[in-house]
Formats: sequence, C-alpha cells, structure tokens
Amino acid sequence: GAVVSQHPSWVICKSGTSVKIECRSLDFQATTMFWYRQFPKQSLMLMATSNEGSKATYEQGVEKDKFLINHASLTLSTLTVTSAHPEDSSFYICSATYVRGDTEAFFGQGTRLTVV
Amino acid sequence: RKEVEQDPGPFNVPEGATVAFNCTYSNSASQSFFWYRQDCRKEPKLLMSVYSSGNEDGRFTAQLNRASQYISLLIRDSKLSDSATYLCVPSYNFNKFYFGSGTKLNVKP
Repeated sequence: GAVVSQHPSWVICKSGTSVKIECRSLDFQATTMFWYRQFPKQSLMLMATSNEGSKATYEQGVEKDKFLINHASLTLSTLTVTSAHPEDSSFYICSATYVRGDTEAFFGQGTRLTVV
Repeated sequence: RKEVEQDPGPFNVPEGATVAFNCTYSNSASQSFFWYRQDCRKEPKLLMSVYSSGNEDGRFTAQLNRASQYISLLIRDSKLSDSATYLCVPSYNFNKFYFGSGTKLNVKP
C-alpha cells in the first residue's frame, strides 16, 4: 500500500513555543491530506482538510490561527501548533489519499506532542 | 447526532471465540465504508473495506445495510493479536473521515 510518513514521531516542547509536524506521501501525490487529533482514550477528531495550493478547511471549533496548515506541494503538508500550551498535548495524525474518490486513506505514524 | 455510533466496549472474549461489532452512521450520502483497527498509541490501519454485498477476508466478515445505515464486523476464531480498537468508518467526501469512539476488543488466553 501507499506510504505516508509523519515526522517527528514524538516531540516535547515548552509552553509558548511552536511546533511543526510534517506529513509526506512518499510514493504518491496527494492533493488532499487530513489532520486529526486524538486525546488519550478518545476517538480521532478531524481537525482540518489540507488542500494543495489553497487554504486549509478547518472543522468547527478548531482555531485556524492556532493550528497553521500549509500544503505547498503534492507530497507535503505541515501542521504548526503555535504558542503551544499543555492542553495541546495530544496525538496528531495525518492521512492522505491518492485517488479522488472512494479509496482507503493512508495514515502517517502519528506525532505525540507533549507540552510542558 | 454523532456521525458514527459504536459501542465502545470493551468486549472481553477468550481466544477462539466469535465476536461481532456493530456500527450505525448518520450520513446517508456515505459511499464507501471501511473497518480500521487501531492499536494503542498507533495510527489506524485498514482492516477491510465493506461492500454492499458483504465480504469476507479470512476470519473477518463485514456486512453493510444501507437502508438501515448499519455496518457490522464479525471476527471468528479470535486471536490474542486481534486485541485492538476497531473503528467503523463511512466516507462520503474524498476520504474525510469522522471517527466514532471505536470498539475495544480484548482477547484473553
């Protein structure tokens, strides 16, 4: 199957700093990628849809100025958590598809963010 | 109303048991359906797609009832390695997924 690589797999940062997470499709081009967040013992929550060459679409309740998404190429989307606080500590996962239609989504390995 | 409703469990079953999970979804425009499994602290991995006619993959059987907006997964001869959270995922918009809570399965020796 297609491969999606996410980096870093884990990161610890201080409150007030910003953290960038990368999501790459390694062997296919992804016009659309999705970013999810998962708190312990909770379900994956869709945060935003990342569209190559255009602005991201955010789900209700997700602050676009807090979670900056850039999808500058067909193989890379980045999520930047700005001015991180302990409540932003979570598991962040991206997914990508390579066919416009109803095919499976391929997930990155996830990034565990801890803000101290 | 939630997009996807699943019994969170946990379902605790002995090895070799047969276990079934159910899921209902609210968006009638959903076109594709999947079961994913997620191990603790890992990303979801595709278990199987679900087709209208129902489909089987080894010990796993999936059924779809569009009229009732209901999806099921049956696992036969449970293995210890089947212990995970199972996520029912309907998709209607280029694989933008709204996940439910998932159903946690614990297979005991």
